[in-house]
Amino acid sequence: DTGVSQDPRHKITKRGQNVTFRCDPISEHNRLYWYRQTLGQGPEFLTYFQNEAQLEKSRLLSDRFSAERPKGSFSTLEIQRTEQGDSAMYLCASSLSNLRSGELFFGEGSRLTVL
Amino acid sequence: QKEVEQDPGPLSVPEGAIVSLNCTYSNSAFQYFMWYRQYSRKGPELLMYTYSSGNKEDGRFTAQVDKSSKYISLFIRDSQPSDSATYLCAMIDTGNQFYFGTGTSLTVIP
Repeated sequence: DTGVSQDPRHKITKRGQNVTFRCDPISEHNRLYWYRQTLGQGPEFLTYFQNEAQLEKSRLLSDRFSAERPKGSFSTLEIQRTEQGDSAMYLCASSLSNLRSGELFFGEGSRLTVL
Repeated sequence: QKEVEQDPGPLSVPEGAIVSLNCTYSNSAFQYFMWYRQYSRKGPELLMYTYSSGNKEDGRFTAQVDKSSKYISLFIRDSQPSDSATYLCAMIDTGNQFYFGTGTSLTVIP
């Protein structure tokens, strides 16, 4: 499978615990995005990387959230001290730098449930 | 005001109907316009993409952009039960940033 893969697909955790999600983008894509999506809403931008550099972070990304993309390949999104409001689908997407095609490839998402 | 407005629906139509989905936007910097389809518990997938005013057709799908009115539409002809999904409009600004609508939930009844 050469698409964007995310792991785990579903994570249930207790409030206050830390969680980490992993995303493996399409291999030739140098841009990687993290979005958050709640029920009935469109994806909300969190952050994106151009290769290993994190170029932009949304105000939604509080200091409990951190993302990395070491060596410009896979990426991790960590949420520390989870809160119930963090319950959402976390979507990873990748693309080439040239977005003229509009082709943002999404993974199937990691669903977080905070109890 | 959100930069991209989309009627959330839900929309329910009989099989074979023509479906019209719409989004409005406020940012004149948006230059590329897309429609994504999202099945339940899956990631969005790109359906249609356009960068100019006018119509673009792909099979049963037609994307329409009116930049002067800041309005985009997706038409689905001969709708099928397999078209049942949430449809998200999306736009890219000059800084290559994506903006998504809230999505319209569509159910096509056999």
